[in-house]
Amino acid sequence: DADVTQTPRNRITKTGKRIMLECSQTKGHDRMYWYRQDPGLGLRLIYYSFDVKDINKGEISDGYSVSRQAQAKFSLSLESAIPNQTALYFCATSLAGNTEAFFGQGTRLTVV
Amino acid sequence: AQKVTQAQTEISVVEKEDVTLDCVYETRDTTYYLFWYKQPPSGELVFLIRRNSFDEQNEISGRYSWNFQKSTSSFNFTITASQVVDSAVYFCALSEPNSNSGYALNFGKGTSLLVTP
Repeated sequence: DADVTQTPRNRITKTGKRIMLECSQTKGHDRMYWYRQDPGLGLRLIYYSFDVKDINKGEISDGYSVSRQAQAKFSLSLESAIPNQTALYFCATSLAGNTEAFFGQGTRLTVV
Repeated sequence: AQKVTQAQTEISVVEKEDVTLDCVYETRDTTYYLFWYKQPPSGELVFLIRRNSFDEQNEISGRYSWNFQKSTSSFNFTITASQVVDSAVYFCALSEPNSNSGYALNFGKGTSLLVTP
């Protein structure tokens, strides 16, 4: 089983719908992240969390919200999806700030 | 401002050629960390290497090698005798303690490498 699991893997949704992307990890890491990947733009940070009570906005948080339900779970929500949120979304974890991040398999989201 | 610059958007080489992927970074911190990740066509992100700012020794792992030069703020990645399986998008990333995002990885835009037979 993967150490960092994202569900769903693929999702097509309509403009204006609320959608939640889920991430769970078995690595026991406190730090978790949500990134968005767009072609030619690399990965951009949406939100990050150092522990259950510490959640912070990243570079591109507008239009997104997150919930850290437990150390192992970090969910990303799009309250009212719009087409330019069509992208590949990655969840990641790390043991500490200066260690490598471990990524989930990604969720490909299409907003039509 | 872009903190990590990967100027090469796409590179195409023939199998067995050597290829170098460039990465230039920008930081005011004296302590920082640099990373390379590989994203094959299947889409997952695979960690390749982590280097801290105090270790300028070059590193070699099989056909892969990395050249870290603080003087030019570069952390370049060379694949020797490339193979078709090396075809992927490669990302360079920077982690800084005093960034606005608490050490979170700041990625370059990636270099797409295509190795043809």
